[in-house]
Formats: sequence, structure tokens, C-alpha cells
Amino acid sequence: DQQVKQNSPSLSVQEGRISILNCDYTNSMFDYFLWYKKYPAEGPTFLISISSIKDKNEDGRFTVFLNKSAKHLSLHIVPSQPGDSAVYFCAASEDSGYALNFGKGTSLLVTP
Amino acid sequence: DAGVTQSPTHLIKTRGQQVTLRCSPKSGHDTVSWYQQALGQGPQFIFQYYEEEERQRGNFPDRFSGHQFPNYSSELNVNALLLGDSALYLCASSAPQGIPFSGANVLTFGAGSRLTVL
Repeated sequence: DQQVKQNSPSLSVQEGRISILNCDYTNSMFDYFLWYKKYPAEGPTFLISISSIKDKNEDGRFTVFLNKSAKHLSLHIVPSQPGDSAVYFCAASEDSGYALNFGKGTSLLVTP
Repeated sequence: DAGVTQSPTHLIKTRGQQVTLRCSPKSGHDTVSWYQQALGQGPQFIFQYYEEEERQRGNFPDRFSGHQFPNYSSELNVNALLLGDSALYLCASSAPQGIPFSGANVLTFGAGSRLTVL
């Protein structure tokens, strides 16, 4: 049973515009949420995280928003750059140090 | 600074065989986790090792077993291979819990070992 869902398999955005990647989850016990980015032939790399006590976390061009009541989080990338083209995975865990539950990923393409 | 290294990068086995995959964690990390990523799917948690003990386990059969060595490196063993075991196997390491970090389980992943079962 998929507890973390990324319903958009792919997204195409023009360079300089905003990219918004969405993620839904079903387990109300999840307390930590993370986004990972994956390039071909590389392992996923950590991008940004948020804990359930916050509703927003920002790091440079990347912002993650959490709506606990809707069990929804989103990743905003502003402005988008061609180097951001990658597969983005949403992940969640019940506690720090616990196993991560991943979504299936969204493939982002940023075109010049 | 070397990150997480995995070997082999690619391998082909036949049904019923056994396979061993190896992982060296990032320097300073003491916890190793293994994930299976099937084609078109996100990584699925197999198990986590800390202090040479299996600390957590995902929904995988006993054919999947592991080991952690005193130097924190780890092995993943899969017995009686099935066609469905074909996947990218990712190893990830994380820092000791006592070191301040974001509060989330920030894993550093290796590039993976791609297993094909024929």
C-alpha cells in the first residue's frame, strides 16, 4: 500500500519560471518529510526537509510547504534552471532515524 | 570526501542463485540502510543496520538478509533469486544520532547496484 503518492509522473517548465511538485500521504503518523533529487546513474541526493511542527521551510531557490490537515506537501523551485532537470522523490518517516517511505517520483524537465 | 560506495555496479544472475552486494558508508556515518528500487517505482526500505545489528526491517521476505561489519560497511544478501528481484539496490548511510542535524533522517545514498535476474 503506497503511503506516499506523487500523482504527476512528469512536469515540464520553462527556465526562470516556478516549478511546483506535489506529494500526498496517507499515514498521519508521519512526522518528517523530505525531498530527494535523482540524476541518471546517480543515487538520490537530499534536497530539503520539513518536520510536522512547521508549515514551511526555505533553502535558497527551494521551498517546501506542508499542509498537515490535507496530508499534502509541495516543493517550489524558483527560478527553475535547466540543471534542476531530474527525478524528484518525496519521502516521509514516522520519526527521525526511521525508515523512509518514498513516492514514485516526478520527472522534472526545465527547458531553456 | 568519499560518499557512499557500492559494488558491484551491475550484475546478472539467474533464478535460484544467490547474490551479495556491498556498501561502504560515508566517512563519519555509522548507520546503513538498504533500499530496493524497481523500474518506475520509488525506493522501498529493506532494512537498517546500526552497531552491527538489524534495527528496522521493511516488508521483505527472509531471503533478504544483511550484515554490518565493525568498520560500518555492510552487505546485502539475497537467496533463491526471483525474476521480481531485478532492481536497483541502493545503500544509504546516516550520521550518528547524537550529532546535530536537521532532525530528519537525512540519508546519503550510493549510486546503487543494478541486479538483473534472468
